[in-house]
Amino acid sequence: SQTIHQWPATLVQPVGSPLSLECTVEGTSNPNLYWYRQAAGRGLQLLFYSVGIGQISSEVPQNLSASRPQDRQFILSSKKLLLSDSGFYLCAWSGRGGTDTQYFGPGTRLTVL
Amino acid sequence: AQSVTQLDSHVSVSEGTPVLLRCNYSSSYSPSLFWYVQHPNKGLQLLLKYTSAATLVKGINGFEAEFKKSETSFHLTKPSAHMSDAAEYFCVVSDIRSNYKLTFGKGTLLTVNP
Repeated sequence: SQTIHQWPATLVQPVGSPLSLECTVEGTSNPNLYWYRQAAGRGLQLLFYSVGIGQISSEVPQNLSASRPQDRQFILSSKKLLLSDSGFYLCAWSGRGGTDTQYFGPGTRLTVL
Repeated sequence: AQSVTQLDSHVSVSEGTPVLLRCNYSSSYSPSLFWYVQHPNKGLQLLLKYTSAATLVKGINGFEAEFKKSETSFHLTKPSAHMSDAAEYFCVVSDIRSNYKLTFGKGTLLTVNP
């Protein structure tokens, strides 16, 4: 069966510090991968998605970036965090079919102080 | 463009009574519709999915939803609420024109009273 992991589970960082969140998927090959942010009272916002190694599409301009160095690894990064980057970050995967369901990881709670 | 509206931001029920969480959608093409559940500080778990097969979809934990094209609705129901059902529920739509990107509703917080 497929599983998706995210770490760390929680993170407290000062403004201006760098960020690296990691997501890995097991039990499947060539998944589509997604990063979402869930801010308080604002629902889920798609940040990035990837259909293959090195292929990243950005949905929202911001100071975040994403990379996919391996087939089942997806990394969310920032060089300098802003207060507004605080939120709950969720990684998800789906199969390559157009109607394939997205399956979510456990999330990372990021607090920027 | 596709959109989804969850008609109630908060629903409160007593344990053992029925649950109804309402969702209306807008899509120019044959949509895929989903309900996800999120417990506090957890990821989203898929409850059920509609993709143009049977209009009554059965999901996990006794939940089901009915796709009504004429009403553009996809309401989630459960005959008898359990304390463990207390969580936030998201209605989600996608279609081919959006390249199957998901559009989320704002969520409905379900409270279950003993």
